[in-house]
Amino acid sequence: QSALTQPASVSGSPGQSITISCTGTSSDVGGYNYVSWYQQHPGKAPRLVIFDVINRPSGVPIRFSGSKSGNTASLTISGLQTEDEADYYCSSYTSSSPYVFGTGTRVTVL
Amino acid sequence: VELLESGGGLVQPGGSLRLSCAASGFTFSSYAITWVRQAPGKGLGWVSTISGSGDATYYKDSVKGRFFISRDNSRDTVYLQMNSLTADDTAVYYCAKDMWQKPIYGMDVWGQGTTVTVSS
Repeated sequence: QSALTQPASVSGSPGQSITISCTGTSSDVGGYNYVSWYQQHPGKAPRLVIFDVINRPSGVPIRFSGSKSGNTASLTISGLQTEDEADYYCSSYTSSSPYVFGTGTRVTVL
Repeated sequence: VELLESGGGLVQPGGSLRLSCAASGFTFSSYAITWVRQAPGKGLGWVSTISGSGDATYYKDSVKGRFFISRDNSRDTVYLQMNSLTADDTAVYYCAKDMWQKPIYGMDVWGQGTTVTVSS
């Protein structure tokens, strides 16, 4: 199972919106509405920010939103804040193994 | 709701380690538990999952036949027995709680991780 493809880095200024893409295949992202997104600050454990493509766990700010079109899922952070600077990973259920992760995206707040 | 990993350390190539993941704060047997690892400077990688009842297990291809996942629902603990370790297994190992008894929806609670270093 190959990793899902994400851009290596995305940056934006405080208050701006950024979008991170996550591209897979019809065997994972495109075949199921079970895409999740995780935020990871340096030296810390990952934190779930989106599940089932569009749903936010309680406690996650509403500026985090998810979507999907075909084999590509996206995470949008609206109104970027300094504490959003972190690594972000997508993950999807797959037909061949429970999960596959994305390659990861470093978000930098300028 | 908390997960606490233990058992990591330095091991020689070809050696074995057993990781533990102790849970608290939720009905343990109702949820699958997944192990995810992160090699130094690298991304997250799924390793293995066990269903809530323990009747189903799943493994990444590269660890099949070397790693074995199990759980003791009376102790609210999941184990990952790792054998024939190589340098490629060097990573921080996280255990994470799935959002259902089977691994489908993703993981909503993560432990702090335990470090495994395979080196002579």
